[in-house]
Amino acid sequence: AQSVTQPDIHITVSEGASLELRCNYSYGATPYLFWYVQSPGQGLQLLLKYFSGDTLVQGIKGFEAEFKRSQSSFNLRKPSVHWSDAAEYFCAVGSRDTGRRALTFGSGTRLQVQP
Amino acid sequence: GAGVSQSPSNKVTEKGKDVELRCDPISGHTALYWYRQSLGQGLEFLIYFQGNSAPDKSGLPSDRFSAERTGGSVSTLTIQRTQQEDSAVYLCASDSSRTYSGANVLTFGAGSRLTVL
Repeated sequence: AQSVTQPDIHITVSEGASLELRCNYSYGATPYLFWYVQSPGQGLQLLLKYFSGDTLVQGIKGFEAEFKRSQSSFNLRKPSVHWSDAAEYFCAVGSRDTGRRALTFGSGTRLQVQP
Repeated sequence: GAGVSQSPSNKVTEKGKDVELRCDPISGHTALYWYRQSLGQGLEFLIYFQGNSAPDKSGLPSDRFSAERTGGSVSTLTIQRTQQEDSAVYLCASDSSRTYSGANVLTFGAGSRLTVL
């Protein structure tokens, strides 16, 4: 069965500092990979996705993520964090097997930004 | 509508009562999902509707949970005889695809926070 691990429950960074949120997955082949962000009181919003091709993908709000097959990872990065980036971030995998009709989400990483 | 709308945004109920949560997907989206987000947990899939096809109910945790979708649009998630462990945020999502694919991009509502006392 596929699974997603986000090892960091909570991360605090200073505004302007760089950010990396970790995501590791378990899946028999290359899955579809997503990062979603959830701001307080709001639904999840798609930041970026990886399906195939170039392993470095760009998303909205200046975020990027790199797919590393050898490490089964899909870490999210941002070179300079803004206070408005404070939110909860979820990594998710989608199966290429249509028999499993659901995304599998990690437990999330809550980002706090210090001024 | 412009986005996925869920109601109520907050619901407090007593153990043993039934609750109904409503989801109004984006107009024209035939695919609709319910997920549950418990404190400190990731999102847990509950049920998936696609057009007029039979729903995928494989994620429903018990027979106290049921969902329906009327007219291919609005969906209602019903929890009977609520228990304290049902306390969570229930998220609805929709997408524009006509068939399921793991590549589908979901648009989520803001969720309904359920508290069972």
